[in-house]
Amino acid sequence: AQSVTQLGSHVSVSEGALVLLRCNYSSSVPPYLFWYVQYPNQGLQLLLKYTTGATLVKGINGFEAEFKKSETSFHLTKPSAHMSDAAEYFCAVTVLSGSARQLTFGSGTQLTVLP
Amino acid sequence: DAGVIQSPRHEVTEMGQEVTLRCKPISGHDYLFWYRQTMMRGLELLIYFNNNVPIDDSGMPEDRFSAKMPNASFSTLKIQPSEPRDSAVYFCASTGGIGYGYTFGSGTRLTVV
Repeated sequence: AQSVTQLGSHVSVSEGALVLLRCNYSSSVPPYLFWYVQYPNQGLQLLLKYTTGATLVKGINGFEAEFKKSETSFHLTKPSAHMSDAAEYFCAVTVLSGSARQLTFGSGTQLTVLP
Repeated sequence: DAGVIQSPRHEVTEMGQEVTLRCKPISGHDYLFWYRQTMMRGLELLIYFNNNVPIDDSGMPEDRFSAKMPNASFSTLKIQPSEPRDSAVYFCASTGGIGYGYTFGSGTRLTVV
């Protein structure tokens, strides 16, 4: 079965600083990887995804992530944090194998942006 | 498209009562998922459907929980009888293909007192 590990349950950055949220995955077959964002009292919103092809993927709100197979990682970055980026971020994985289609989520990283 | 619609947004009920949560997926999406989110356990998959058929219900905590999808545009998650430990946010999500990711509803915050 596949899984993801998010390193750091809480990350704080200053406004304008680089955002780096870490995600490592485990999968015996090629994975599909996703990042979601959750604002308070809201559902999860898809930020970006990697399925096949280009390993550097760009998403909404200036976020991007790079799939590194050799490191089994899919870290999320943004060059310059904005106050509105404060939220919880979830990494998720699935595979196209058998009949299973469910996403497995990491435990989440709470991002705080300091003025 | 209105997105995935869940109702109610908030539900407060007394222990022992029956609770029914509702979900309308995006039209054309043939997968529907029910997740539960708590501080202690994070996001847990309860059950998912493909073309209205339950595929994997191994995440359903116990027999008190049941889910149905009578047609492509409606699903329910029922808890009977409810217990305080069922208090959580319950999310419904749908997708037309896993490569597209899921679209989540806004969730139902359930409080059992």
